[in-house]
Amino acid sequence: SQQGEEDPQALSIQEGENATMNCSYKTSINNLQWYRQNSGRGLVHLILIRSNEREKHSGRLRVTLDTSKKSSSLLITASRAADTASYFCATRGTNAGKSTFGDGTTLTVKP
Amino acid sequence: GAVVSQHPSWVICKSGTSVKIECRSLDFQATTMFWYRQFPKQSLMLMATSNEGSKATYEQGVEKDKFLINHASLTLSTLTVTSAHPEDSSFYICSAPRLAGGSYEQYFGPGTRLTVT
Repeated sequence: SQQGEEDPQALSIQEGENATMNCSYKTSINNLQWYRQNSGRGLVHLILIRSNEREKHSGRLRVTLDTSKKSSSLLITASRAADTASYFCATRGTNAGKSTFGDGTTLTVKP
Repeated sequence: GAVVSQHPSWVICKSGTSVKIECRSLDFQATTMFWYRQFPKQSLMLMATSNEGSKATYEQGVEKDKFLINHASLTLSTLTVTSAHPEDSSFYICSAPRLAGGSYEQYFGPGTRLTVT
């Protein structure tokens, strides 16, 4: 089964609103990464957060990590129609090891 | 710029033929690479771990004789889908870990869309 589970599975909001996606995982991790994928395209790396970090920011993106709850959240502020995509979290247990993906959240931002 | 490339980006083949997909790490060496498969509207599923100079490690349920992996150099891994069938149609993505800022970050290729007719 997938290491990561994300909720919600689908999220639809109006442009300008904030979007929050959550990811939970089961085992200890080395780091967690968030990716974006437009329909039919490859993955775009958004943010990497290490297990000893609690929060990271990048532009309109804010990622939090709570290792005690084994969960992470991705917040997109002031969303735009161009943010419409699927968002995945991926965890890694060892430094150079494989990434395990969550099921993803499909975000639709209506103009 | 891209640090992991894949070739081809898309391929259409007839049922029963074999297709080779290349994954290259650009300007860094990768003793390990990973191959994922993604079906429409689903997440990425790890298929196998490609190890330079040794046999690949396959995930449960992935047929090693059908999905041949060769990691012949520190910058190249290939995935060959043998005797392809329509159900093998999928998006195949490779990744390679690269040391950045003291820890490894996973870099993904742009993916290869395989359609088997």
